[in-house]
This record gives sequence, C-alpha cells and structure tokens, in this order.
Amino acid sequence: SAVISQKPSRDICQRGTSLTIQCQVDSQVTMMFWYRQQPGQSLTLIATANQGSEATYESGFVIDKFPISRPNLTFSTLTVSNMSPEDSSIYLCSVEGMEGSYNEQFFGPGTRLTVL
Amino acid sequence: QKEVEQNSGPLSVPEGAIASLNCTYSDRGSQSFFWYRQYSGKSPELIMSIYSNGDKEDGRFTAQLNKASQYVSLLIRDSQPSDSATYLCAVGGSQGNLIFGKGTKLSVKP
Repeated sequence: SAVISQKPSRDICQRGTSLTIQCQVDSQVTMMFWYRQQPGQSLTLIATANQGSEATYESGFVIDKFPISRPNLTFSTLTVSNMSPEDSSIYLCSVEGMEGSYNEQFFGPGTRLTVL
Repeated sequence: QKEVEQNSGPLSVPEGAIASLNCTYSDRGSQSFFWYRQYSGKSPELIMSIYSNGDKEDGRFTAQLNKASQYVSLLIRDSQPSDSATYLCAVGGSQGNLIFGKGTKLSVKP
C-alpha cells in the first residue's frame, strides 16, 4: 500500500484562526478522502478530493469551513477555517488502494487538532 | 441515511480465546466490507476486506459476510494482548467512500 504522510502531526490553535493540513502520498492516486474523528467517536467523511475537479462535500460540511485543494495526484490540503473548540478533532486523509482493491482505503497518521 | 452498527463494548476475552466482533449495515445494496484496527492514538489500519458471502481467512483473522442478513463479523483466533484495540467495521459507499461504525473496543487479558 501507499506511504501517506500528514503535516502537522498535531497543533494547538486559537479560536478564530485557520489551519491547513497537508497530505502527501508516495504514489499517484485518483481519489483522496478527508475524515474527521472527534474524541471517542468513529470516523466521519468530510469530503472526497479528486484531482482536477472540485471536492465533493458530505452533508454537514461546507467548502467555506473546510476548503480543500488537490493540485496533483500525490498531494492534497484541508483547511479548517475560523476554528472553534468544536473543531478539536483528529483529521485523517486516506487514499484508495491499488487498482482492483475495490473501495479499500489506507489512512495517513492523522493530525490531532486542539482549539482553545 | 446509511448506517453501520457495532457493539461499542468493551469486549474482554482471555489470551488464547476467540474474539468475535459483529457489525450490521442498513444499505442492502452494499458490495464491499472492511475491518480496520485502531490502536489508541493511532490511525485505522486495514486488516480485512470481504466482498462475497461466506468466510475469508487471513492468518488468525476470519471475516464472515452474510448479505441476506446484512451482517459482517470478524473472528480473531488465539487472541493476544497485542490485539487489544478498537475494531472499526466499514461499508463501501457508491462514491468510493466508506461508512464507519462506531467501533468495538477489544481487551485481551493475559
């Protein structure tokens, strides 16, 4: 499977500021996904980011709050804008598996965000 | 709203026993099913994928799928303390996304 890295691994931010999280993959992938995992909870999909098209957001998530870029097949960013304490969460990017591995996804190490 | 349901646990088993983890899903049209293991403070790690009815074995892990009953399970044989983790059941959506259950916390006691 692909090697996925995320930056930063963790951050503590002030209310009202924004943080951009980077996701880098060591091979080209068509589909990248951004998830949120709130404390003690499971994973919730924020959006799907395909290269060359606008990200597709899930219900409850909007582009103004979580803008996403996907400039090429190995990189994506997620920005958490105008943060509040409710945004404290782990943010995870994932990528699809190899061709033929239908719907398999592999996750990066995550970014642990604390908003004060 | 597509849903994936799991018992939150904790499920406690003695070392060497079989741990049985269960999952049900609401979308009868689902075609792909996954089990992820998540250690505390770490990201989810894919341990099993299953697409057809029946059993799929990989080492000490066996995934079982019954589409008629909309039921997926994971058996861990000869459980080890290192298996202690939260196990997440995920179901593939039509857009390539995954829908996750809330996870079952497994504790294997030495």
